[in-house]
Amino acid sequence: AQSVTQLDSHVSVSEGTPVLLRCNYSSSYSPSLFWYVQHPNKGLQLLLKYTSAATLVKGINGFEAEFKKSETSFHLTKPSAHMSDAAEYFCVVSDIGNEKLTFGTGTRLTIIP
Amino acid sequence: GAVVSQHPSWVICKSGTSVKIECRSLDFQATTMFWYRQFPKQSLMLMATSNEGSKATYEQGVEKDKFLINHASLTLSTLTVTSAHPEDSSFYICSAMGRVDEQFFGPGTRLTVL
Repeated sequence: AQSVTQLDSHVSVSEGTPVLLRCNYSSSYSPSLFWYVQHPNKGLQLLLKYTSAATLVKGINGFEAEFKKSETSFHLTKPSAHMSDAAEYFCVVSDIGNEKLTFGTGTRLTIIP
Repeated sequence: GAVVSQHPSWVICKSGTSVKIECRSLDFQATTMFWYRQFPKQSLMLMATSNEGSKATYEQGVEKDKFLINHASLTLSTLTVTSAHPEDSSFYICSAMGRVDEQFFGPGTRLTVL
């Protein structure tokens, strides 16, 4: 069985400051891990994914995430927040070879001007 | 590329009626399509997986006779909510996967049943 826990339902940061969205996962096998972003009235967009290659994954819009097996974590970071980053972020897991995605409960990111 | 559309974007219907939601892959052929349901402030829950030309596979607890899924072509899947009731009100999201091992998501359809 696979699952993800997003530790914060809501994160607020000031524009220009770092962003940290936390995610822990549980998987029976070697997992694939993803971060998706959901802007209002728009489809989910893939930010980045980890599939057992490099543990530090770089995504779009300056986001990156680090896979830490010992901590079963896959936290999303960005050095400097921008107003356009305000959205809902989902951490997602799937077992390699399994197309079924399991979503976390989401973290709403608010950017303070 | 890899655009998925849904129609309608929102729909309001009376209790007891049926509603059809379309999911289209606009610029690629989707061999597999997925239907999710998202309750307010909650995560996406997979309802079913459909492969073109075959019956959908439903997740545990999802009533297949209530949520009819048809994947008749490589670019279109439909979800029909039959005899809708207020508890079926939700945000329904589809995704499509083709040759690339990645799901591309539609913008969602908000269903309100009165």
